Amino acid sequence: KQEVTQIPAALSVPEGENLVLNCSFTDSAIYNLQWFRQDPGKGLTSLLLIQSSQREQTSGRLNASLDKSSGRSTLYIAASQPGDSATYLCAVRDGQNFVFGPGTRLSVLP
Amino acid sequence: DGGITQSPKYLFRKEGQNVTLSCEQNLNHDAMYWYRQDPGQGLRLIYYSQIVNDFQKGDIAEGYSVSREKKESFPLTVTSAQKNPTAFYLCASSFLTDTQYFGPGTRLTVL
Repeated sequence: KQEVTQIPAALSVPEGENLVLNCSFTDSAIYNLQWFRQDPGKGLTSLLLIQSSQREQTSGRLNASLDKSSGRSTLYIAASQPGDSATYLCAVRDGQNFVFGPGTRLSVLP
Repeated sequence: DGGITQSPKYLFRKEGQNVTLSCEQNLNHDAMYWYRQDPGQGLRLIYYSQIVNDFQKGDIAEGYSVSREKKESFPLTVTSAQKNPTAFYLCASSFLTDTQYFGPGTRLTVL
């Protein structure tokens, strides 16, 4: 059964710092991987989708990489801002469904 | 204005009562999903549907029921058989292998 983990569980950084969030999955037979952002009490907002044939995707200050063979993905956030404070979740499409990690709670301090 | 709507935003249930959470989308997506989120945990799949009049159980379907009579709508009923229903419920939709889009969620509390 697919399992997804995220490290660290929580992260606090000063504004302007570059940072990396990690996502690991146990079964490399995935269709794609998606990174989401969740603000407290809100739904999820899609940030980036990486298909299994791709190695990375970029959107603005965000860059996500995928290494299927090692079961790992990273989300790189450049020049972090207080508005980036949220929980970041990764999810892998495993067959017909997504399997989610528990998330990393990010706090960017002004 | 395209998107996914969920209602109500907050819902209170008494012991032994069934309640229904609404999820509507106007994105013409084929697939719809229901997830449950508990504090400090990731999302767990309750039910999903890839086509009208068809749906499959997810990892935690016990005590829940769904219907998919229209492409746009995928309501979730939390029955009295669900012993611990207090949670944040999220609905999502997508084209079959594409990005999932989420609604704003419904917070259910048992009184």
